[in-house]
Amino acid sequence: NAGVTQTPKFQVLKTGQSMTLQCAQDMNHEYMSWYRQDPGMGLRLIHYSVGAGITDQGEVPNGYNVSRSTTEDFPLRLLSAAPSQTSVYFCASSYSPQGGGRTTGELFFGEGSRLTVL
Amino acid sequence: GQNIDQPTEMTATEGAIVQINCTYQTSGFNGLFWYQQHAGEAPTFLSYNVLDGLEEKGRFSSFLSRSKGYSYLLLKELQMKDSASYLCAVLDSNYQLIWGAGTKLIIKP
Repeated sequence: NAGVTQTPKFQVLKTGQSMTLQCAQDMNHEYMSWYRQDPGMGLRLIHYSVGAGITDQGEVPNGYNVSRSTTEDFPLRLLSAAPSQTSVYFCASSYSPQGGGRTTGELFFGEGSRLTVL
Repeated sequence: GQNIDQPTEMTATEGAIVQINCTYQTSGFNGLFWYQQHAGEAPTFLSYNVLDGLEEKGRFSSFLSRSKGYSYLLLKELQMKDSASYLCAVLDSNYQLIWGAGTKLIIKP
C-alpha cells in the first residue's frame, strides 16, 4: 500500500506565485488534513476535510485553499505565495470516529513538502 | 487557551532509560498521543492513552494522569535510532488534535 502520497517534496517559489501541493491516500480514510511545521512550533492545522465535498478551516487557513472532490485526494493551493509561507507542509489522513467527529487522532502522514518562498 | 508543554531538548546515553514529560491544558479530552519524528521525515504514531495508567509497547511505554493533565513517554534500552523528536498531542472535545512543539532527543554513545 502506498499510504499517503504527497508531491512535490521540494519547491521554490517567488513571492506572488501560486502552486498546488498534491495529496492522495489509498486507505479509504474519511479525514484528511494539511499541516505546516515550523521550527520551535507544534504542527499547525491549515485545513481539514471529513469527507468528499466537505472542508473546513483549521488554525492558520489564510492564504490557502483546499477542495475534496474525491475521498482519495486533498490538494492544497497557495494562492499568492509569501515568504511567511516558507515551511514544511504535511498531509495527514485518518479514520473518523464512529458516530461522527473529525479524527481518531491516529494520523498517517505523507513524506512532507519543503516549500521556500523567496 | 489550549496549551501543551514538553521540554525542547533532552540528552541520554545509549542503553539507558529516558522519560519525556508532557503537560496539557485543553478544552476537553479525548485522548493523548505520542508521535516520533526523525529529522527530515514525517511524524509516525507511537502510542495512545485515553484512560489513566501505563500503556506498554515493547521498549516504549506511555503514562497518563488525566486529573493532573500529565503524560510521559518512557523509552528503555535506548538505541541510536531512537534519536528523534517526540511529539505530544491531545485530542480535544471537538476531536481536534492540539500539538506540542516536540522534544528533540539526542542519544550519545
